[in-house]
Amino acid sequence: GQNIDQPTEMTATEGAIVQINCTYQTSGFNGLFWYQQHAGEAPTFLSYNVLDGLEEKGRFSSFLSRSKGYSYLLLKELQMKDSASYLCATSYIPTFGRGTSLIVHP
Amino acid sequence: DTGVSQNPRHKITKRGQNVTFRCDPISEHNRLYWYRQTLGQGPEFLTYFQNEAQLEKSRLLSDRFSAERPKGSFSTLEIQRTEQGDSAMYLCASSLGAGAQEPQHFGDGTRLSIL
Repeated sequence: GQNIDQPTEMTATEGAIVQINCTYQTSGFNGLFWYQQHAGEAPTFLSYNVLDGLEEKGRFSSFLSRSKGYSYLLLKELQMKDSASYLCATSYIPTFGRGTSLIVHP
Repeated sequence: DTGVSQNPRHKITKRGQNVTFRCDPISEHNRLYWYRQTLGQGPEFLTYFQNEAQLEKSRLLSDRFSAERPKGSFSTLEIQRTEQGDSAMYLCASSLGAGAQEPQHFGDGTRLSIL
């Protein structure tokens, strides 16, 4: 089976750094995705990790440890527009976590 | 590239009725996925196609749900004898190929409300 766990909600201040964690248990593994979903909108792709380590893409970075079944999404220089739900998803039989609602305040 | 298109955007129907949704993926994309999403939850996988072949179907999906992709292009999702628990946002996504690293591109969804 597949199981993904991530915090329900986080808050942070504009300009700060926030780390959103995700743990997963899967019967197979083909990589892990992070998606961003603004309220009332469709999810949009942020990052993909299949090997251990950090992938950096502008203000967003994603880390993977396959041995620990663990990933995190790091958001730097937070902006108000980053307020959204962040979804962790495994690639093998696509399985999404419930999402972490990030609230960025001034 | 017009993105993934879903129709209708909203559907309101009475319990017991049948409904059908349509998804037009990005034209060169081979894979097409259907998900269901309820408030405060992530998308729940329903099924996916590689071209016209339906490769996987969630065990959570009852036999009231059926999906087709007859020519490997657009897809339809039909729900028969709708129940109140079927009320949700139904999302379609497509990806370029069979590679696990291919990101999915989502449509705006069809919101189903069962009265």
